Amino acid sequence: GQQVMQIPQYQHVQEGEDFTTYCNSSTTLSNIQWYKQRPGGHPVFLIQLVKSGEVKKQKRLTFQFGEAKKNSSLHITATQTTDVGTYFCVESNQFYFGTGTSLTVIP
Amino acid sequence: KAGVTQTPRYLIKTRGQQVTLSCSPISGHRSVSWYQQTPGQGLQFLFEYFSETQRNKGNFPGRFSGRQFSNSRSEMNVSTLELGDSALYLCASSSGLVYEQYFGPGTRLTVT
Repeated sequence: GQQVMQIPQYQHVQEGEDFTTYCNSSTTLSNIQWYKQRPGGHPVFLIQLVKSGEVKKQKRLTFQFGEAKKNSSLHITATQTTDVGTYFCVESNQFYFGTGTSLTVIP
Repeated sequence: KAGVTQTPRYLIKTRGQQVTLSCSPISGHRSVSWYQQTPGQGLQFLFEYFSETQRNKGNFPGRFSGRQFSNSRSEMNVSTLELGDSALYLCASSSGLVYEQYFGPGTRLTVT
């Protein structure tokens, strides 16, 4: 099946810095979902993007879906220690989560 | 609504044995997916069941199998366990392909 590649695999930031993770596909996506998994926890759904160029915000988190629907990004403004975890992107009917991006926030 | 439940939460088995894991989805959800999570390989898709039929399958050997019952509860079986099968096994339920997945807490399997 089609795989969405995510970068970077790891990211360490100082608390208060911004953070961005990117998902890229070689083919057009029908949608993109984002999940967050806290250390020791299970993935939790954050949001789904469907429309070309769509932008959605959840407090300090901004999610974007590319105009060509081949890429997506998650941007966190002014990271906090509660943002620690692994962020995954996935197309809903493909089930490919991969390794995600592991975010470490240094207090 | 109660969330996704998985039993058992922890399991220790010996190489060569077999194991059965259980997943109860959120009430009304007919799709159940299974994943294997290891530190090196991330979250890997095993299979998805919908209305008692396997609808999607990942790239795992035939030792990994599953089934779904009429009440949408699902079981996953691993036969002839290998050390490399040690992992967190997660199941997730959903209303359908275009909807979000709700994950259970997982079953931590250790093979010795």
